[in-house]
Amino acid sequence: QKEVEQNSGPLSVPEGAIASLNCTYSDRGSQSFFWYRQYSGKSPELIMFIYSNGDKEDGRFTAQLNKASQYVSLLIRDSQPSDSATYLCAVNSLKYGNKLVFGAGTILRVKS
Amino acid sequence: DGGITQSPKYLFRKEGQNVTLSCEQNLNHDAMYWYRQDPGQGLRLIYYSQIVNDFQKGDIAEGYSVSREKKESFPLTVTSAQKNPTAFYLCASSQPTIRGGYEQYFGPGTRLTVT
Repeated sequence: QKEVEQNSGPLSVPEGAIASLNCTYSDRGSQSFFWYRQYSGKSPELIMFIYSNGDKEDGRFTAQLNKASQYVSLLIRDSQPSDSATYLCAVNSLKYGNKLVFGAGTILRVKS
Repeated sequence: DGGITQSPKYLFRKEGQNVTLSCEQNLNHDAMYWYRQDPGQGLRLIYYSQIVNDFQKGDIAEGYSVSREKKESFPLTVTSAQKNPTAFYLCASSQPTIRGGYEQYFGPGTRLTVT
């Protein structure tokens, strides 16, 4: 089992819809969770982080964390074609020290 | 302007040559990292450094070497021993937060092509 798993996609949504990206992790001791957006040919950009169970909202983005289910998700409301990118989930725990463990990423395509 | 710089953006080398990729940060972060990304693949950790003059191997260190003589700089050398060096190389840095996590920030990357 991979430490951080994401559906590779592509996930296709129409413009204006909600895109839901999911990530599961194996280490129950994981403490911090990150979402990165990576446009084709560019480096990853940190867009959200969450440390506590529940929801965290920032503009059109909402990160959701459920530690009991070892599940973290990213919702993008009112999806725009400019949101089309690969979204990487990353996890940190005491087991990893100051390293992040990354999922392989989910490709999101927003169609206008 | 705080950030991470990597140079060059594109690098072309002949097989058998060593090449050094530059990474500099002015974020005052203690920890720095090197990743490799192949087309359609996730990030794989090559080396990381938590403090000056100290570094550890990541998951795919063979054929690579690093140094950390200054806090701001973490150059990566791709040696001729690396069998498949063509890839997108990403440098990152992080600092612990009051919440206990390590938020990593990435440089723009260097795309290395070896023929």
